[in-house]
Amino acid sequence: GAVVSQHPSRVICKSGTSVKIECRSLDFQATTMFWYRQFPKKSLMLMATSNEGSKATYEQGVEKDKFLINHASLTLSTLTVTSAHPEDSSFYICSARVVLAERYNEQFFGPGTRLTVL
Amino acid sequence: GENVEQHPSTLSVQEGDSAVIKCTYSDSASNYFPWYKQELGKRPQLIIDIRSNVGEKKDQRIAVTLNKTAKHFSLHITETQPEDSAVYFCAASTTGTASKLTFGTGTRLQVTL
Repeated sequence: GAVVSQHPSRVICKSGTSVKIECRSLDFQATTMFWYRQFPKKSLMLMATSNEGSKATYEQGVEKDKFLINHASLTLSTLTVTSAHPEDSSFYICSARVVLAERYNEQFFGPGTRLTVL
Repeated sequence: GENVEQHPSTLSVQEGDSAVIKCTYSDSASNYFPWYKQELGKRPQLIIDIRSNVGEKKDQRIAVTLNKTAKHFSLHITETQPEDSAVYFCAASTTGTASKLTFGTGTRLQVTL
């Protein structure tokens, strides 16, 4: 149980284009999903908290117009990197929080998306 | 906000030896402390977690201890094996709908033969 998928796993795009990344919880409902960014050999940096049916909460320094988040259902959140530039190249990972009371706060991670902007 | 420090950044042990990774946190309201293992290019995998109502938790070769007074917690791996080689992250959070994980900087563990 608690499987999270992410698509695509890798994407290469030209500078100026937009890229959409999907995060799905496959066997459970997730009212809250999280989007992280990870640079090589670095830790996970929380970008934003995605809440089903409401606006995402962005961390300080993260441009909400640059990184659009939509949480349209209890099993799907999307991150769109708009007008991507080479500095947006990174490993993007989503996670979904388990809602079962006894396991509250556990987060299960997707496999990540490696974005390369040329 | 919460700040989590993790040490050491790299750790090399011989197969069969024990490995200890330590983390400190700043927010006394934090009460959930998971540990994740991440292999290169893969997703972080939860390996063990502890909540503030206990001081120690063990799962086979892995154990975690928590000292709430000192605000630090540690991961202990005994009888290390080459497949334990990976990057390990500690994290801390409160509980509640607005909670979020704050990660440590990671420890690269290398288990040598």
